[in-house]
Amino acid sequence: AQKVTQAQTEISVVEKEDVTLDCVYETRDTTYYLFWYKQPPSGELVFLIRRNSFDEQNEISGRYSWNFQKSTSSFNFTITASQVVDSAVYFCALSGGSNDYKLSFGAGTTVTVRA
Amino acid sequence: DAGVTQSPTHLIKTRGQHVTLRCSPISGHKSVSWYQQVLGQGPQFIFQYYEKEERGRGNFPDRFSARQFPNYSSELNVNALLLGDSALYLCASSFAMTGFQPQHFGDGTRLSIL
Repeated sequence: AQKVTQAQTEISVVEKEDVTLDCVYETRDTTYYLFWYKQPPSGELVFLIRRNSFDEQNEISGRYSWNFQKSTSSFNFTITASQVVDSAVYFCALSGGSNDYKLSFGAGTTVTVRA
Repeated sequence: DAGVTQSPTHLIKTRGQHVTLRCSPISGHKSVSWYQQVLGQGPQFIFQYYEKEERGRGNFPDRFSARQFPNYSSELNVNALLLGDSALYLCASSFAMTGFQPQHFGDGTRLSIL
């Protein structure tokens, strides 16, 4: 079974501070995919980033960056120089690679960015 | 191009009734999945369809059923509604049925059971 744990329930920061969201996952698949989604108050889930299990290279995309470490089963996500529009619930999700393509989501972390 | 569209946006039902939720995927996407999101929790997988066949089912009772049509749109049906079925129901589409393809979500249908 797949499991995703987001230990942080809520994070509150002041604008321009960096925010790091933690994600720990469990899976028996050797090939799997990790995602981060954003859910603003309006409700829709917005795809942000994706990482394959066989590629541990960390990347930066604009103000977003992520740190994937297979050794600790962690997939952390950082927003640099946060803005008020970044206020949302952020979900980490896991998808299998062998006929099990459903997304297993964590409970989410609510990020509030204050002006 | 239009994103994933879901209808209706909001729905109020009473216990025991049934409900049908509809979803149109992004043009060219052949896989549709349904998720239930209870307030304060992450989405939970209900069904996945690809090429009109059920390819995955989550841990939901038989009161939940779905289907996918030749144009790849989909319906989720829930019978004998319970108070616990109150949730945001999200539809997601992807081009193919692989773990690599990100799923793109609609705005959801917010279902309230009285």
